[in-house]
This record gives sequence, structure tokens and C-alpha cells, in this order.
Amino acid sequence: KAGVTQTPRYLIKTRGQQVTLSCSPISGHRSVSWYQQTPGQGLQFLFEYFSETQRNKGNFPGRFSGRQFSNSRSEMNVSTLELGDSALYLCASSLVGRGEQYFGPGTRLTVT
Amino acid sequence: GQQVMQIPQYQHVQEGEDFTTYCNSSTTLSNIQWYKQRPGGHPVFLIQLVKSGEVKKQKRLTFQFGEAKKNSSLHITATQTTDVGTYFCAGDRMDSNYQLIWGAGTKLIIKP
Repeated sequence: KAGVTQTPRYLIKTRGQQVTLSCSPISGHRSVSWYQQTPGQGLQFLFEYFSETQRNKGNFPGRFSGRQFSNSRSEMNVSTLELGDSALYLCASSLVGRGEQYFGPGTRLTVT
Repeated sequence: GQQVMQIPQYQHVQEGEDFTTYCNSSTTLSNIQWYKQRPGGHPVFLIQLVKSGEVKKQKRLTFQFGEAKKNSSLHITATQTTDVGTYFCAGDRMDSNYQLIWGAGTKLIIKP
């Protein structure tokens, strides 16, 4: 079956702008988690959605938000971009939130 | 706070030498998962350990889960260039709300 897809793969934005990233999970997976990864850093948890409900949220400012649709596809939005938001944004899907995570290829966001 | 400590942060080895990374949780885990992220790639699930004292092997990789279910290790015998990458553990804490707690990762570097 098809893996997790993320669009776009690369994005360049300017400070102050906003951005929306998309994630399509593996068919049948109802949980989607989002992570931020900066060079040399681990995986910083952003939030997790299950059946359109946000179940968990990491320690990120309110500029970071997300949602999940009825088909389990998820989007995350970052408003008022800052230079420090430059990172690889990964989404992962799973059958249940704590189960085996299947990661997408990520969206590499550069803020200039 | 919720933590899974992973050490070391980096390990430089000669090809053919062994590699080990350790994860320690302050509380009991219901299970622990291991992932590998190749340079430029995304994390890929390796294995999940569930039982106290469990040991699993995948070719040259040996995974252990402590008796108290608070620590785990990944050992690679006779490293090869294909082993290069960052290894992450992710713990499912019994008291967490559907959220995996991730270690910071150990980067395996093969000396030239």
C-alpha cells in the first residue's frame, strides 16, 4: 500500500508569512503526528490528531496549528514565520497514536 | 517532566567495530520502539519491544528491553557503512496520553 505522502517537499518563505503543509497518511491509519526536526536535533513533537481530534500537543507557540479531515489527511499551519522555524517537518501516521510510526519524507521549510 | 534519555549523542567507530546506544526512562514503559534515520532521510521503524527482559535480533542488530522496562539498548555488531545514520528510541509511557516520548537520538559515524 502507498506510504505517507507530504506536500510540498520543499518550501521557501519570508519572515512574517504563513505556510500550510499537508500530510496524507497510509490508508486506514487514523492517527497523524507532526514533528519538527532541525539540523542535529531530535524529533520535536508538535501535535497528534486522531479521528479529527487533537489528542496531544507539544511545547510550541500558538503560531503552530493543525487539523485533520474526515479522510485522515492532516494539515499543519505556521503563521507569522520566524527564521527559527526553518526545519524539516515530518508527519507520521499510525493505526493508533502510540503504535508503529510510518513517517513521510518530510517538508523542508526555509524561512528567509 | 516526561523524558527518555538517550546516550551517547554521537559515536564515531571504525568500520567493523561495534556500536551501542542506550535509552533510559524515569518511569516504566509499556513498550519501546527503535527507529533509524539515514542522512537526508526520514525515520524508519526498526522494532518494538514489549516484554520485560526481551531480547530481539535482526541480523547484526540486537535490541534489549530491561527487566524493569525502564531502559533499552541497541547494539550493532561489526558496523558497516550502511549502518550510518541516527538511531532513535521512542517510549510508550503507561501514563502518557497516546503520545510516544522520543529520545534525542544517537548518530553513528563511521571514521574514514
